[in-house]
Amino acid sequence: SAVISQKPSRDICQRGTSLTIQCQVDSQVTMMFWYRQQPGQSLTLIATANQGSEATYESGFVIDKFPISRPNLTFSTLTVSNMSPEDSSIYLCSGGPWNEQFFGPGTRLTVL
Amino acid sequence: ILNVEQSPQSLHVQEGDSTNFTCSFPSSNFYALHWYRWETAKSPEALFVMTLNGDEKKKGRISATLNTKEGYSYLYIKGSQPEDSATYLCASVGAGNQFYFGTGTSLTVIP
Repeated sequence: SAVISQKPSRDICQRGTSLTIQCQVDSQVTMMFWYRQQPGQSLTLIATANQGSEATYESGFVIDKFPISRPNLTFSTLTVSNMSPEDSSIYLCSGGPWNEQFFGPGTRLTVL
Repeated sequence: ILNVEQSPQSLHVQEGDSTNFTCSFPSSNFYALHWYRWETAKSPEALFVMTLNGDEKKKGRISATLNTKEGYSYLYIKGSQPEDSATYLCASVGAGNQFYFGTGTSLTVIP
C-alpha cells in the first residue's frame, strides 16, 4: 500500500491569486492523478501527472489554469492559477496502478 | 471521459436496515470498477475492485456485484450501523488508468 500526504490541508485565498498544492507519496508510483470536487459534485479528474513529461488534461481543464509538475515518482504539485470563487473545491491527488489507487486526504480551497 | 452515474444521490436508513446503491458505467472498453468509501476530511478508502462480469466481492457486512455486459454494479450493506455513514463512490477505470468517478451516494445511518 501507499500513503499519500497533501499540503496544505486547507486554505482561504483571494481572487486573482494562485495556490500550489503538494502531493507526496511514500513509495514510487508510476501514475499520479489530480481531482477536484466542487460543492455538491462528484470527484472530477483534472489531469494525469506524468513523470518526465507534460501532464495530460481532461476535457475542460487547461495547463494555463492548472499547471502540474511531476519531478519524480513520489511527488507532484498542482497549481490553481488566477483563482476565482468558482475554484472553491476540494482538490485530491491519487497514485497507484489501475487496481489499487490510493488517495491523499485532500486540500479544501476557499476563494473569496 | 467516461460517464459514470450513481443512485440514489443520498439515503437515510435506520440502524439495522440493509441497503443497496447502484453504479452505472459504459460497458464498452471496460477495464475495472472500483468502490470507495469516503468520510469527510479523510482519504477515500478502497472497498472493492472488480474486473470480471459476475464478480462478487464481500468485506464484512458490505458486498458488491458486477455486470459488465449491461454496465452496472450494486453495493450492498447488511445491517447498517452508524459508522457506515459516509459517501460511497464508484469509479470506472479508463484505458490510460484514469479513474472516472460517479457522483456518489451519501449514506446516513440513524441510530
